[in-house]
Amino acid sequence: SQQGEEDPQALSIQEGENATMNCSYKTSINNLQWYRQNSGRGLVHLILIRSNEREKHSGRLRVTLDTSKKSSSLLITASRAADTASYFCATAGSQYNQGGKLIFGQGTELSVKP
Amino acid sequence: ETGVTQTPRHLVMGMTNKKSLKCEQHLGHNAMYWYKQSAKKPLELMFVYNFKEQTENNSVPSRFSPECPNSSHLFLHLHTLQPEDSALYLCASSQLDWDNEQFFGPGTRLTVL
Repeated sequence: SQQGEEDPQALSIQEGENATMNCSYKTSINNLQWYRQNSGRGLVHLILIRSNEREKHSGRLRVTLDTSKKSSSLLITASRAADTASYFCATAGSQYNQGGKLIFGQGTELSVKP
Repeated sequence: ETGVTQTPRHLVMGMTNKKSLKCEQHLGHNAMYWYKQSAKKPLELMFVYNFKEQTENNSVPSRFSPECPNSSHLFLHLHTLQPEDSALYLCASSQLDWDNEQFFGPGTRLTVL
């Protein structure tokens, strides 16, 4: 399978610090996406990076992708207490659509203390 | 608001009950999904519907029965569930394209007694 695996499983930082989360996967992908989930709620799409891209920015988020290592990282700069949530990576297969399937990782629980 | 709604938000049912979860998307998407999220486990894809046709059944027990009457509505019919089926059930939708960015509903928190 191409399930994403994330580390760390949990991360606790102070407000203002940067948070880095990593994701690894097993097979070729079309794109990799990061989602955020507040406790007990649905997931919200944050950012998508395609297999031919190496880095992407969106506000305080920076995502990198290394297809040779089959890994990605999500960096949140200048974190805020409101960033406290679980963060998931998800991979889309390299065949067109593959029926729309995304494979999600286990997630990183981020806690940002005021 | 992501444009995907789910009802009910919370559901408690006994093992002999029959209930249904409802999902509606207002985004004009052509694919819809059911996921199960249990504590300490990754998000598990249950069913995928593309253009109202089921294209994925991820070895889900028959006590879960999906229904997709049109591209905007998705149901999950539940009967004779087990306590281990207690979880957060998430619905999502997407436009089938290369990116397949998915939009999630808020989920139904299901407790089976």
